[in-house]
Amino acid sequence: ETGVTQSPTHLIKTRGQQVTLRCSSQSGHNTVSWYQQALGQGPQFIFQYYREEENGRGNFPPRFSGLQFPNYSSELNVNALELDDSALYLCASSLDSLYGYTFGSGTRLTVV
Amino acid sequence: DQQVKQNSPSLSVQEGRISILNCDYTNSMFDYFLWYKKYPAEGPTFLISISSIKDKNEDGRFTVFLNKSAKHLSLHIVPSQPGDSAVYFCAASAGRGSTLGRLYFGRGTQLTVWP
Repeated sequence: ETGVTQSPTHLIKTRGQQVTLRCSSQSGHNTVSWYQQALGQGPQFIFQYYREEENGRGNFPPRFSGLQFPNYSSELNVNALELDDSALYLCASSLDSLYGYTFGSGTRLTVV
Repeated sequence: DQQVKQNSPSLSVQEGRISILNCDYTNSMFDYFLWYKKYPAEGPTFLISISSIKDKNEDGRFTVFLNKSAKHLSLHIVPSQPGDSAVYFCAASAGRGSTLGRLYFGRGTQLTVWP
């Protein structure tokens, strides 16, 4: 059973650019959530996708957008990058339940 | 607005002793609480959870206590081992039917267990 994999592991972007982060859910999981963890903070909920539909969103601007594909893999897109977007981005998947929430190791994004 | 608070950024405990990590919350709608452990360069790993209908849940060396009236929960690790050294996050969820899966996290407590 594979876990949640995220790519890339590290990324450096320039302010104003756009970035796409990718996540492969754990096998059999149909729900994926994205979290942003800034330095010294706990993870903050960005949004969640259930069977390819967004079904929850945190307090993040529209330039944060996402997709979930039929195979339940997912992308997080961030447009017009700002310095404050520098953080660890975590993807988590589950199967219709809060119990089996499995996190990936994250993508460390640095905006310069 | 931090709805889940971990007021101790760090805790140091000797091997074999008890570790107690604390967490407070403000949202009375939270009905499910979890603890995650995080090692450097890894994602958070689920440790133990508790529903608001209970006040205690045990799993081996780990016990979580919930005091709903005080909006407080704690994680006890007995006995503590050096491999327990990690950042521990408290998380909470509300209204599983409408916001399934959304977790509110505290800022974490760095636990160090020394020999």
